[in-house]
Amino acid sequence: AQSVAQPEDQVNVAEGNPLTVKCTYSVSGNPYLFWYVQYPNRGLQFLLKYITGDNLVKGSYGFEAEFNKSQTSFHLKKPSALVSDSALYFCAVRDISNYQLIWGAGTKLIIKP
Amino acid sequence: SAVISQKPSRDICQRGTSLTIQCQVDSQVTMMFWYRQQPGQSLTLIATANQGSEATYESGFVIDKFPISRPNLTFSTLTVSNMSPEDSSIYLCSVPGGSGTTDTQYFGPGTRLTVL
Repeated sequence: AQSVAQPEDQVNVAEGNPLTVKCTYSVSGNPYLFWYVQYPNRGLQFLLKYITGDNLVKGSYGFEAEFNKSQTSFHLKKPSALVSDSALYFCAVRDISNYQLIWGAGTKLIIKP
Repeated sequence: SAVISQKPSRDICQRGTSLTIQCQVDSQVTMMFWYRQQPGQSLTLIATANQGSEATYESGFVIDKFPISRPNLTFSTLTVSNMSPEDSSIYLCSVPGGSGTTDTQYFGPGTRLTVL
């Protein structure tokens, strides 16, 4: 069965510091991986995805994610955090058998000034 | 990318009543998904609604409780019936950006439902 794990419920980072939000996955076959962000009282916004090719994927708002096949990870990163990055972040993997997205539990990112 | 709107954006309802949530997409899509997000939780898929066929419900969700309509390729409704406080959640509709497994999925802004 395909699954996604976000091991941290919450990540606290000081503004200006680099941030990492962790995601590991378990799939059979090639993984199609996604990151979404949910700002307070808003819907989910797509940040980036990995399908194939370069292991470093760049996305919206200065975020990037590194695909690591040997560690089955797809961690979200940003070199310099902003207070406005504070939100809930979800990692997801596509279940190719039924097209559905399998969601991680979410990580609350708090950026402190 | 698809632009999705939902109505209402939020509502407070009494237990035992029903609420119908509307989802409008700015382009024609075959598939639409309805999700529930309970407070502080991840997303749970309620059902997949394809135009011209009955919705497919996930385990734990039934048509009597969450009837779905899909009258055309740009619109869908989800009704939460005979509500209880446990139904208090954010309800999200979502559409794929294409027909392939690598396509991005887009989400509406959500309907925040509180049941008293």
